[in-house]
Amino acid sequence: AQRVTQPEKLLSVFKGAPVELKCNYSYSGSPELFWYVQYSRQRLQLLLRHISRESIKGFTADLNKGETSFHLKKPFAQEEDSAMYYCALSDSGNTPLVFGKGTRLSVIA
Amino acid sequence: SQTIHQWPATLVQPVGSPLSLECTVEGTSNPNLYWYRQAAGRGLQLLFYSVGIGQISSEVPQNLSASRPQDRQFILSSKKLLLSDSGFYLCAWSSPGGWTQYFGPGTRLTVL
Repeated sequence: AQRVTQPEKLLSVFKGAPVELKCNYSYSGSPELFWYVQYSRQRLQLLLRHISRESIKGFTADLNKGETSFHLKKPFAQEEDSAMYYCALSDSGNTPLVFGKGTRLSVIA
Repeated sequence: SQTIHQWPATLVQPVGSPLSLECTVEGTSNPNLYWYRQAAGRGLQLLFYSVGIGQISSEVPQNLSASRPQDRQFILSSKKLLLSDSGFYLCAWSSPGGWTQYFGPGTRLTVL
């Protein structure tokens, strides 16, 4: 069965400090991995996806198939990064995403 | 461009009352449609999804149901609400065969 685990419910970091939001998945095939973000009073939106291999708002995520992880990283946290972050997995384009329980990131000034 | 709407934005209902939440998508055809419930500490729980009119897949057995009467309309219903139905309900869409899901603004449901 597909499963996404985000071990931290809450992560607090100081402004300018590095950030790493952890995501581990359980899936036997080759999944597509995503990070979604929900800022206060805004819609849940796509932050980045594995296949794009891009950096969005300074965030990057590398798929490690050996460790079945897709951790989200940013070298220097900003206050505007404070939000709820969800890791998600999909095995094909017509199946629903499987989401983790989310991690709330709080960046302290 | 594509947009997704949900209404109402907030709803307060008594236990045992019926429910109807509506989601519509504009600017695309034959989208895949999804209903999720977002609860604190429990993340996003997929409730229903649909890949076409009249095609509904249920992920979690409960007193909720979904219908897709038109191509770009997705409705979440209940005949009798329970206290445990309180939460934030999100509708989402994706293109046929597409990987990325796009979310609506959500409906905050409080059952008293």
